[in-house]
Amino acid sequence: QVQLVQSGAEVKKPGASVRVSCKTSGYTFILHNIHWVRQAPGQSLEWMGWINADNGDTRYSEKFQGRVTITRATSARTAYMDLSSLRSEDTAVYYCARSTLEDGSPRLDSWGQGTLVTVSS
Amino acid sequence: DIRMTQSPSSLSASVGDRVTLTCRASQNVGTFLNWYQQKPGKAPNLLIFSASTLQSGVPSRFIGGGSGTDFSLTISSLQPEDFATYYCQQTYNAPHTFGQGTHMEIK
Repeated sequence: QVQLVQSGAEVKKPGASVRVSCKTSGYTFILHNIHWVRQAPGQSLEWMGWINADNGDTRYSEKFQGRVTITRATSARTAYMDLSSLRSEDTAVYYCARSTLEDGSPRLDSWGQGTLVTVSS
Repeated sequence: DIRMTQSPSSLSASVGDRVTLTCRASQNVGTFLNWYQQKPGKAPNLLIFSASTLQSGVPSRFIGGGSGTDFSLTISSLQPEDFATYYCQQTYNAPHTFGQGTHMEIK
């Protein structure tokens, strides 16, 4: 079955960077884009960006432009999200999710379990 | 960015009730509209895509509708496991924005 398994919780100081990984299994990695979505405590979902798992093209929300980098390692079937210049407002659960495009609107049909990133001095 | 507005923000209902949640987009998104359910401490789960297509494995009591700017999610007969938060998301334009959510609780 399709699985996305994320790396563990992180605690970072303001100004630091964080990397969250997303290891996939159960499907052909290059056929589905990977998106990153975050959720601050008690808040809604916030879309951050995506990567084309085949060719590595990326698209980011302008809100995170310059601070976020999404990459992938095809042989390892893993996607990565790097966020730099962390501030307290970046404290959130970060999710990776697989996107499916066929037969309709792009949708996030499988999700990782989430990774809590806490930014605190 | 396209703004997604959901109503109501919260809703109290009983098992067996029929409920309708709404989602309005700030501009035309066609049928590039998805619905997700999220339970506390869990990742979201896809219910409906393309405004009205039921995701595989999702019960048929979940019914999506609408196009353009106005969308709805109807649950025909609430079950205990349906009490959760529901989010709409547009995928017409990046950023693929979400609504603020509708929190459904047991009356």
